Amino acid sequence: TQLLEQSPQFLSIQEGENLTVYCNSSSVFSSLQWYRQEPGEGPVLLVTVVTGGEVKKLKRLTFQFGDARKDSSLHITAAQTGDTGLYLCAGVGYNQGGKLIFGQGTELSVKP
Amino acid sequence: EAGVVQSPRYKIIEKKQPVAFWCNPISGHNTLYWYRQNLGQGPELLIRYENEEAVDDSQLPKDRFSAERLKGVDSTLKIQPAELGDSAVYLCASSKPGQGRNTIYFGEGSWLTVV
Repeated sequence: TQLLEQSPQFLSIQEGENLTVYCNSSSVFSSLQWYRQEPGEGPVLLVTVVTGGEVKKLKRLTFQFGDARKDSSLHITAAQTGDTGLYLCAGVGYNQGGKLIFGQGTELSVKP
Repeated sequence: EAGVVQSPRYKIIEKKQPVAFWCNPISGHNTLYWYRQNLGQGPELLIRYENEEAVDDSQLPKDRFSAERLKGVDSTLKIQPAELGDSAVYLCASSKPGQGRNTIYFGEGSWLTVV
């Protein structure tokens, strides 16, 4: 069974601070996605990374896929209160028929 | 374009009662997923359809859960009888092969509380 471990599980910071969320596995993934989920809503896709070592930027968010395609990170610069939410990483394994496996999520709270 | 539509949004039932959730995927999306998400956890796949065929239902508790996708469009997920541990958010999602790598669009979820 392929597992994705996210850390930290909870993160509470002040507005303006930087933060990094990690997503790790012992398995190799063909692609990895990051989602953000607000209370009462379904997850919304932020980015998909597919190449080992790939870095993608989305405004203040920087996503990196590990060289070995087993891990990923999400870095947020100068966090804002609007960044509050549950951040989920999800990976597509090889020979899994496109099945998306989710990590347990990182609950981020950005305080004013 | 309308997103994935789910109903009901919220449901409170007593244990041992049946419950059903409905999902209308994005038009043209032939892959449909049902996920269950417990509080503070990531979603877990229950079943995946390619058109009307269930291609992955390995995580569906078949003793009490059932799903169908008639005509390969709308889908329903049923629980009968419900247990206390079934309290969770049931998320429906859909995707269109070829539209990027497994870009999945989620509905807002159906929040189930079993008392």
